[in-house]
Amino acid sequence: GESVGLHLPTLSVQEGDNSIINCAYSNSASDYFIWYKQESGKGPQFIIDIRSNMDKRQGQRVTVLLNKTVKHLSLQIAATQPGDSAVYFCAENNPGGYNKLIFGAGTRLAVHP
Amino acid sequence: GAGVSQSPSNKVTEKGKDVELRCDPISGHTALYWYRQRLGQGLEFLIYFQGNSAPDKSGLPSDRFSAERTGESVSTLTIQRTQQEDSAVYLCASSFNRVNIQYFGAGTRLSVL
Repeated sequence: GESVGLHLPTLSVQEGDNSIINCAYSNSASDYFIWYKQESGKGPQFIIDIRSNMDKRQGQRVTVLLNKTVKHLSLQIAATQPGDSAVYFCAENNPGGYNKLIFGAGTRLAVHP
Repeated sequence: GAGVSQSPSNKVTEKGKDVELRCDPISGHTALYWYRQRLGQGLEFLIYFQGNSAPDKSGLPSDRFSAERTGESVSTLTIQRTQQEDSAVYLCASSFNRVNIQYFGAGTRLSVL
């Protein structure tokens, strides 16, 4: 199928290296953040989330860091694999009272053998 | 099924025709969302349904766009008098009540000729 993210910023890494994908969010009142992975031709897939009362959360091979001072979010992927190649989106919760997510533009991760 | 299901997966239509896109959310999920994703871009919020509450239609780009949802099940997104700029992938997501994680379908790729 047609590729997602043809014109997005691209991060190229070697297989086995660690990857860091960065995201700047817009609203200092946002209290919940989430990362999604989108492979070509598929819908976004949940990776990991974090609430604003935390600054770090770890999952399997992934870590999300939150810096509220500078409104910055990062996703770290350890030992990057070819299957990690995708477009990664961060999203912040609209603090207007319900589950409305505001998505960033996305970053394409390309993993080379 | 276990996930969010969208149909059709691909739709090609002529400018000026109406189209209907369908979304079957995960069973038991009270919240349902529609997004639009243009090629190489992020997700643009369109509309949100939560139970029997009035939907949030703030993201609909024009009055040619409308959506309905039957109770807490199927939703249809209708685009009337389609234009070429409507060409995009239309994604549906659902979530369980106030839980923030949204689960996405694979999307409907709409091409307006």
